[in-house]
Amino acid sequence: AQSVTQPDIHITVSEGASLELRCNYSYGATPYLFWYVQSPGQGLQLLLKYFSGDTLVQGIKGFEAEFKRSQSSFNLRKPSVHWSDAAEYFCVLPQGNQFYFGTGTSLTVIP
Amino acid sequence: EAQVTQNPRYLITVTGKKLTVTCSQNMNHEYMSWYRQDPGLGLRQIYYSMNVEVTDKGDVPEGYKVSRKEKRNFPLILESPSPNQTSLYFCASSPDRGRAGYTFGSGTRLTVV
Repeated sequence: AQSVTQPDIHITVSEGASLELRCNYSYGATPYLFWYVQSPGQGLQLLLKYFSGDTLVQGIKGFEAEFKRSQSSFNLRKPSVHWSDAAEYFCVLPQGNQFYFGTGTSLTVIP
Repeated sequence: EAQVTQNPRYLITVTGKKLTVTCSQNMNHEYMSWYRQDPGLGLRQIYYSMNVEVTDKGDVPEGYKVSRKEKRNFPLILESPSPNQTSLYFCASSPDRGRAGYTFGSGTRLTVV
């Protein structure tokens, strides 16, 4: 069965430090994969998406993600975190008529 | 502005009192969906609709109903709410079953006492 796992429930980083949020998927074929961000009290916003082709995907707000088939991973990265990046991040696997969400990673940014 | 509008944003109700959460999108999207978000569980799909008059169950449909009489509207109905339906609810729409990504509403915080 298809699924998405985000191993880190909560991550704390200092402002200006680099960030990597992990996502592992389980799916037989090449998946579509998304990252969404949910700022406090807000809805969800699409950061980036992977369909096929280039394994390094650029998104909004300076984020990027790399698809690694050998590791079944789609990790989200940002070279320098800003205080406004504090939010909850979801890795998402769309399949058929459903969206499978990971349980989310909460990011805290320390000044 | 392209958006998904949910109402109300916050709702406190009592067990058993029927309620409806409205959802409307102005992007002419065919695909709409409802999710609930609970701590530690991420978002789980309640119902989805691929077009007018076409709806289907998601992962957690028990206790909910939906209808899709018009393309733009997709209300979520709780006929007899119970405390375990206390949650944060999101409506979302997409032009193509989510492959292009969803546009989400701002959410409805429901408390059932």
